[in-house]
Amino acid sequence: SQQGEEDPQALSIQEGENATMNCSYKTSINNLQWYRQNSGRGLVHLILIRSNEREKHSGRLRVTLDTSKKSSSLLITASRAADTASYFCAKELNFGNEKLTFGTGTRLTIIP
Amino acid sequence: DAMVIQNPRYQVTQFGKPVTLSCSQTLNHNVMYWYQQKSSQAPKLLFHYYDKDFNNEADTPDNFQSRRPNTSFCFLDIRSPGLGDAAMYLCATSTVAGETQYFGPGTRLLVL
Repeated sequence: SQQGEEDPQALSIQEGENATMNCSYKTSINNLQWYRQNSGRGLVHLILIRSNEREKHSGRLRVTLDTSKKSSSLLITASRAADTASYFCAKELNFGNEKLTFGTGTRLTIIP
Repeated sequence: DAMVIQNPRYQVTQFGKPVTLSCSQTLNHNVMYWYQQKSSQAPKLLFHYYDKDFNNEADTPDNFQSRRPNTSFCFLDIRSPGLGDAAMYLCATSTVAGETQYFGPGTRLLVL
């Protein structure tokens, strides 16, 4: 499968703690994106990181990309109850592919 | 506000009875996508349009068809729904293929 894996599959932490999710992939990518999905809803784009970038920030979110290890991580700092959701990484596998391949997701639960 | 709209949000159909799901966008994006997402799984791309250029995924069943009569609208037709087609169907758009995607809220299909 070209999907790669996300790790962990599920994560429960106390409110205020940091949450880290990881995504691996198997072939070269043009970009990697992270999306959030609240239960029963559509996906919301969080961050896009390109293959020549190593780190990006957006508010409480930090994404890193290590192309040598074919992996990415999403860090959510100072978690809130509203961060409870599923988080997916999606890869554009090579330039001009025109589509994204989604990982299996991490289910994050923030305990108030 | 510019957005992606899916109707209906919930659709109940009978086994074998054709059903059409609709998606509209006010973003004026060139690319539109249809995904199928089953419970606790990754979104699976069914097909996408780059303008009027239709791109079918190799493993999308023939039972699934799509139409894009204009930039704003895209339809998913399921000719003979089976129990295994019960899922969330997500529509998404992007300005450039492979870049950030904007998702609608999804249509949950139940097959009786």
